[in-house]
Amino acid sequence: GNSVTQMEGPVTLSEEAFLTINCTYTATGYPSLFWYVQYPGEGLQLLLKATKADDKGSNKGFEATYRKETTSFHLEKGSVQVSDSAVYFCALSALEDNFNKFYFGSGTKLNVKP
Amino acid sequence: DTGVSQDPRHKITKRGQNVTFRCDPISEHNRLYWYRQTLGQGPEFLTYFQNEAQLEKSRLLSDRFSAERPKGSFSTLEIQRTEQGDSAMYLCASRPGAGEYYGYTFGSGTRLTVV
Repeated sequence: GNSVTQMEGPVTLSEEAFLTINCTYTATGYPSLFWYVQYPGEGLQLLLKATKADDKGSNKGFEATYRKETTSFHLEKGSVQVSDSAVYFCALSALEDNFNKFYFGSGTKLNVKP
Repeated sequence: DTGVSQDPRHKITKRGQNVTFRCDPISEHNRLYWYRQTLGQGPEFLTYFQNEAQLEKSRLLSDRFSAERPKGSFSTLEIQRTEQGDSAMYLCASRPGAGEYYGYTFGSGTRLTVV
């Protein structure tokens, strides 16, 4: 089946620190992979995506590389800011029963301290 | 681009009452989804529309839940005889195509509290 596992939070970092949030997936086919971000009281916003192996998604200083050999899509940022504090969700999209379905991880809360 | 709009943002209701939420997707998106998100969890799929047709329903969607998209534009999600376990954030999302490479555009959600 299809599923996503991401590291538990919260992750607490100081401003300008390096960020890694781990995400691994299980998929029966060839999924597309996504990272979404959710700010308090808001819906999810697409942060970045990668649609095939070895693709790198990037946006706002965040990056993630689709690693088929390790079934991973880890999120990284070289220097976090206080404004990056949010919950981050890894997700995959795959064809299942002729229907394209999304599966979300349980989310990782990031707290960035000044 | 007005994005995906959901109304209301917050709803507090007494157990046993009926509630209805509305979602207005991005106008050119023919695919619309409802998800439920509880505290500390990722969104869970509830149901999916392609235009006005409801093509998929999750087992999470009990008989008390019904969703419609009568003209293939806005959608409503109704919960009858609400229970405390229905308290959650209800998220609507839309996207323009069926391919797995299309991401969702989410609305801000409706937070339901059943007291």
